[in-house]
Amino acid sequence: QSALTQPASVSGSPGQSITISCTGTSSDVGGYNYVSWYQQHPGKAPKLMIYDVSNRPSGVSNRFSGSKSGNTASLTISGLQAEDEADYYCSSYTSSSTLLYVFGTGTKVTVL
Amino acid sequence: EVQLVESGGGLVQPGGSLRLSCAASGFTFSSYEMNWVRQAPGKGLEWVSYISSSGSTIYYADSVKGRFTISRDNAKNSLYLQMNSLRAEDTAVYYCAREAMIVVVDYWGQGTLVTVSS
Repeated sequence: QSALTQPASVSGSPGQSITISCTGTSSDVGGYNYVSWYQQHPGKAPKLMIYDVSNRPSGVSNRFSGSKSGNTASLTISGLQAEDEADYYCSSYTSSSTLLYVFGTGTKVTVL
Repeated sequence: EVQLVESGGGLVQPGGSLRLSCAASGFTFSSYEMNWVRQAPGKGLEWVSYISSSGSTIYYADSVKGRFTISRDNAKNSLYLQMNSLRAEDTAVYYCAREAMIVVVDYWGQGTLVTVSS
């Protein structure tokens, strides 16, 4: 079972929108609506941003939104702000016999 | 306020053992499934192990199966990870993680660094 595939880096200017993709298979992303997204600033623990594909936990800005099509999930950050600069990881439930969770490879978001 | 505080990390030689602990507070620990997730230096997140709220169901990643043992003491609000036969590739920050619902971690500890090196 390999990690979910994310672009290594995505960048945008303040106020712009960016989208991060997360590609898996029918055994994980495509087969279940159990995709989450985490934000991680350097030296800090991850923070839950989106769960069950498109749900936002209480306290997370509505500038963050999630979606899924087939085997690819996406996280969109609209109105990009300096504090959004961080690493982002997707995760999914997997029917693999060797894992419970599978994480994405991670995407570094840079605010230009 | 939910708090998860890991301890027990450090430097250990290859083949050695270490026991990580996670002290939980601010919520009813016995009602939640828990996980250990690790992150090697400069790398991504890797799920390590899961334990159900009662401790009756346990899963491990293949990379640690047979070497690591997860456990919990609900009376002490504590989660543990016994790590044996440690390898250089086990070097990572280990996070204690509360599972809010199916494969959704809503709270993470600050992490404890495990370094396996001679």
